[in-house]
Amino acid sequence: KAGVTQTPRYLIKTRGQQVTLSCSPISGHRSVSWYQQTPGQGLQFLFEYFSETQRNKGNFPGRFSGRQFSNSRSEMNVSTLELGDSALYLCASSHPGQGPHNEQFFGPGTRLTVL
Amino acid sequence: AQKVTQAQTEISVVEKEDVTLDCVYETRDTTYYLFWYKQPPSGELVFLIRRNSFDEQNEISGRYSWNFQKSTSSFNFTITASQVVDSAVYFCALSEDQGGSEKLVFGKGTKLTVNP
Repeated sequence: KAGVTQTPRYLIKTRGQQVTLSCSPISGHRSVSWYQQTPGQGLQFLFEYFSETQRNKGNFPGRFSGRQFSNSRSEMNVSTLELGDSALYLCASSHPGQGPHNEQFFGPGTRLTVL
Repeated sequence: AQKVTQAQTEISVVEKEDVTLDCVYETRDTTYYLFWYKQPPSGELVFLIRRNSFDEQNEISGRYSWNFQKSTSSFNFTITASQVVDSAVYFCALSEDQGGSEKLVFGKGTKLTVNP
């Protein structure tokens, strides 16, 4: 089975721009979560989608948004980029059919640099 | 509120030494799940173990072992006879039973360096 894939792997943007990151979960996985990783704040939960519905949201400003499509692929969008948005954005998927709070499979991440 | 504390920011050992990574958590829920993940230099988080709050049995998997103690809210991870390939950042994480959400709250991580 193919793992979680994220595109693009690297991205450089300037302040004020917007960006869209994509995540394709493992086939059959319907839950997709997004995390932001920075040296200062560590790994922080952004949001989680299940069957195209946002099931939980972290403590991030409204500039951060996401969605999930019927094939479980997910995108996250950051508008009006700020320097502090520079981070590694990780996507994770899991299979709820195997019980609650199961192992989450993480993708390689998208490294976003805001100049 | 949920919180995970990994007090050790960095640990450096020599190959074949045993090393224990500490994890202390805070939660108000009686049902919760604890995890350990490994992040090698490549960046991808790798799942190591999941434990629910009702299962306090310690677990051993090869050179890895985990000690879960509810009385001290700790879930420590020991690597026996460490190897250079164990060098990575290790994260402890907590997930509460909130309406099926899979949200993970991570500790800040412990960077382990195993020197030859």
